[in-house]
Amino acid sequence: NAGVTQTPKFQVLKTGQSMTLQCAQDMNHNSMYWYRQDPGMGLRLIYYSASEGTTDKGEVPNGYNVSRLNKREFSLRLESAAPSQTSVYFCASSDSWGNNQPQHFGDGTRLSIL
Amino acid sequence: GESVGLHLPTLSVQEGDNSIINCAYSNSASDYFIWYKQESGKGPQFIIDIRSNMDKRQGQRVTVLLNKTVKHLSLQIAATQPGDSAVYFCAENIPGGGADGLTFGKGTHLIIQP
Repeated sequence: NAGVTQTPKFQVLKTGQSMTLQCAQDMNHNSMYWYRQDPGMGLRLIYYSASEGTTDKGEVPNGYNVSRLNKREFSLRLESAAPSQTSVYFCASSDSWGNNQPQHFGDGTRLSIL
Repeated sequence: GESVGLHLPTLSVQEGDNSIINCAYSNSASDYFIWYKQESGKGPQFIIDIRSNMDKRQGQRVTVLLNKTVKHLSLQIAATQPGDSAVYFCAENIPGGGADGLTFGKGTHLIIQP
């Protein structure tokens, strides 16, 4: 039972390079999310997709774009990477949006921007 | 500001003892709470959740207590095992907050002493 799968697990980029982080879930969940996790801070929401075909900004969307490719897949793109985007990125999914259901997380992508 | 926090950043307990991890929240409108466990290099793993119409909920070796009067949430782990070593953090749902309104705390690092 894979759950939420993220690729790649690690990536090093140079400032200004672009990158797409991939996420797929096999739980038939409607809602998907992208978070970043930085030392000393809680998870911060970047973007979310309440359902297939919709995306919305979260708390820290600047410098990122997302695509809900289909019900299973939700990608996060950095168009021009900056050192401030060095972080661990987590994708999550839940059965439905706004219905008090737990979010289930992947194991993250560790991204370093030089 | 941070509406979900933890009383102690690190908690050290003896193997076999019970552990109690605390969480304070400031938004009295929060109606749903989740506890997550995060092991090193992994994503957050759902442990247990509780809705605001409940005071207590039990799972396998874990119990969550909710005290709405003082806006306090705790996670009790019975008979702590080495595999329980991890960072534990709580999340609260604020109705109308968007993206399920989840706000995450920063975490408590649980260390198991042999």
